[in-house]
Amino acid sequence: GAVVSQHPSRVICKSGTSVKIECRSLDFQATTMFWYRQFPKQSLMLMATSNEGSKATYEQGVEKDKFLINHASLTLSTLTVTSAHPEDSSFYICSAPAGGSSGANVLTFGAGSRLTVL
Amino acid sequence: AQTVTQSQPEMSVQEAETVTLSCTYDTSESNYYLFWYKQPPSRQMILVIRQEAYKQQNATENRFSVNFQKAAKSFSLKISDSQLGDTAMYFCAFGNTGTASKLTFGTGTRLQVTL
Repeated sequence: GAVVSQHPSRVICKSGTSVKIECRSLDFQATTMFWYRQFPKQSLMLMATSNEGSKATYEQGVEKDKFLINHASLTLSTLTVTSAHPEDSSFYICSAPAGGSSGANVLTFGAGSRLTVL
Repeated sequence: AQTVTQSQPEMSVQEAETVTLSCTYDTSESNYYLFWYKQPPSRQMILVIRQEAYKQQNATENRFSVNFQKAAKSFSLKISDSQLGDTAMYFCAFGNTGTASKLTFGTGTRLQVTL
C-alpha cells in the first residue's frame, strides 16, 4: 500500500532556530500534500496544502513566513518552522492522497513529527 | 464551511463487546466523502472506513461498519467484537468531492477497550 515517510519523528530545538520536517511519498507520486498540526489531546488542524511546483495554499490564520512549505518534487514536501518559539511546540503530521492527487483518494498519513522548542 | 462534531470525548467498552461512536456533520453539499480514522498511542493515523455520500449502502470493513444517515447528517461507527488493539482516538472526517483529500476532522473520541 501507499506509504508516507516523515522525518524526523522527534526534534528538540532552541528558541529562535529553524527546523525542517520532511515528508516523502515512498511508492507513489503526490502532486499535493497536506500539513496538519495537532495539539495534545486535540484534533488535527489543517495548516496548508502543498502543491508540487507552485506555492502552497495556507489556511486562514496560519503564518506563511513562519511555516515555510516547499514541494520541490513529486515525492517530497518540506515544512520549515522558522524562528521557532515554545508556542510552536506541537505534533506536525503530513499526508498525501494515496495514488495521486485525485479528489476521491484516501489520505495516507506520515507518522508525525513532535517538535519541542525550548 | 463544513463542520464535524463528535459529542463523545471518551468511551469505554469491554473486550468482545460492541460499541458505537457518534459523528454528525454539517454541509450544503449533496455529494461528499466521510471517513473514520484511528490514531493509536503511536500517533500514526490509520484509515478505518470510508463512505461515499451518493452510495446508500453502509460501508463495512470486517468488524467495523457505519450507519450513514444522509438526511440527518449522521455518520456513526460501530465496532463489533472489540479488541484491545482497538484502543485509540477515533476521528470522524469530512471531504468534499472536489478536494476530497482536504479533510475536516472532528474533535475525536478516545476509546478504551478493557478486559
